[in-house]
Amino acid sequence: NAGVTQTPKFQVLKTGQSMTLQCAQDMNHNSMYWYRQDPGMGLRLIYYSASEGTTDKGEVPNGYNVSRLNKREFSLRLESAAPSQTSVYFCASTELGLNSPLHFGNGTRLTVT
Amino acid sequence: AQTVTQSQPEMSVQEAETVTLSCTYDTSESDYYLFWYKQPPSRQMILVIRQEAYKQQNATENRFSVNFQKAAKSFSLKISDSQLGDAAMYFCAYRSSGNDMRFGAGTRLTVKP
Repeated sequence: NAGVTQTPKFQVLKTGQSMTLQCAQDMNHNSMYWYRQDPGMGLRLIYYSASEGTTDKGEVPNGYNVSRLNKREFSLRLESAAPSQTSVYFCASTELGLNSPLHFGNGTRLTVT
Repeated sequence: AQTVTQSQPEMSVQEAETVTLSCTYDTSESDYYLFWYKQPPSRQMILVIRQEAYKQQNATENRFSVNFQKAAKSFSLKISDSQLGDAAMYFCAYRSSGNDMRFGAGTRLTVKP
């Protein structure tokens, strides 16, 4: 059982380049999330999708776009990467219901030079 | 907006001793869940324990227990009989009806042999 799969694991971009981070889950979860993790700031929510066909902004959405392609897949796109977007990115999924924990992928380390 | 605060950036404990990690949160909601996640150097996010706001009894999972003080909006994690494998970043998290999950900045725990 793969759980939440993120690709790629590492990526280096030059300022202004674009890329898409892919995320897929095989647990039939309704909700999916994208977080970024920076030292001293914990995990901050970029975007989330409560269910297929819906997306909502989180705490730090600027510079990002998302697509909920289907129930399994939720991608994060950087249209024009900036050094401030250097971070570790995590995708997560969960069932609806407050008691349901998030299940995380293994993260993508992105460096923008 | 709900906020989660972890006031201890770093903590250390001697192997086999007990350590408590602090977490406070701010909310106007009455129903919510609180979580503790562990992140070892592998970067994987691992659920440690969770607590429902309506339950007065503190949650316990083996060597891990919480001290939940709803009126004080406090949710601390106690690790008993600390082991070398407990060394990690620990994140406190909050989830309410808004469906997203908010995290604190984290506490880095060092276990000394």
